[in-house]
Amino acid sequence: DTGVSQNPRHKITKRGQNVTFRCDPISEHNRLYWYRQTLGQGPEFLTYFQNEAQLEKSRLLSDRFSAERPKGSFSTLEIQRTEQGDSAMYLCASSLARSFEGTIYFGEGSWLTVV
Amino acid sequence: EDQVTQSPEALRLQEGESSSLNCSYTVSGLRGLFWYRQDPGKGPEFLFTLYSAGEEKEKERLKATLTKKESFLHITAPKPEDSATYLCAVQDGPKLIFGTGTRLQVFP
Repeated sequence: DTGVSQNPRHKITKRGQNVTFRCDPISEHNRLYWYRQTLGQGPEFLTYFQNEAQLEKSRLLSDRFSAERPKGSFSTLEIQRTEQGDSAMYLCASSLARSFEGTIYFGEGSWLTVV
Repeated sequence: EDQVTQSPEALRLQEGESSSLNCSYTVSGLRGLFWYRQDPGKGPEFLFTLYSAGEEKEKERLKATLTKKESFLHITAPKPEDSATYLCAVQDGPKLIFGTGTRLQVFP
C-alpha cells in the first residue's frame, strides 16, 4: 500500500490550455475526493466519488472542470481553458467507509501554475 | 453554515516549550473532527479523528482533545521536526471543511 498517488506533481501551463491530473487512490478505497488549496488557505472541497459515481460537486467546480472515475479505480480531473485563477494545488484523497465516518487520506498534491 | 476557525495563525516556539493550538467550530451535527499536519509543498498527513466531546487521542508529542465547541492540539516539548502547518477540519457529510491552519515553527 503506497498511499494516494497523484500525477503530475507540478504543471505549468499557458492560459487557455487544458490540463489533466490523475489520482490513484489507496487500493480498495471506495471513496475518492478532489480538493483545491491555495497559499495560506485550507483545502476546499471540489467533488466526491463513491465507486464510479460522482455524488457531489461543489459550486467551486465550474463548467470548465470535469472529473471522472471510470470503473471506480483511478480518477482524473480535467480543467479546460485554464485561467490564472486556477493556479493552486489540487489534492486527491480517498477513504474506505460504509458510512461517512472513516479516515480520509490525502495524496501529495498536484501543483498547477497558469501563466 | 459550517465554519472552522483556527488560532493562532502562526506560532513560534523554542524547542521544549509546550503549547496548544485551538480549533473552534460551528456545525449542525459533528460527525468527526480531524487534525492533519502539512509540510510545505506536500499534502496533508492524517494525525487524529475525534468523534465526541471528552474524547482524547495521543501520538508521540501530540495530544488532541475535543469539547462541544472546540478542539485543542497540545504539543509537549516540541522539537524542530514538529515545524509544520497544522490543519483542523470537521466532517460535513462526505466532505471535510478545513480551517486555514496554524503555522508552527520550533527553533532549537
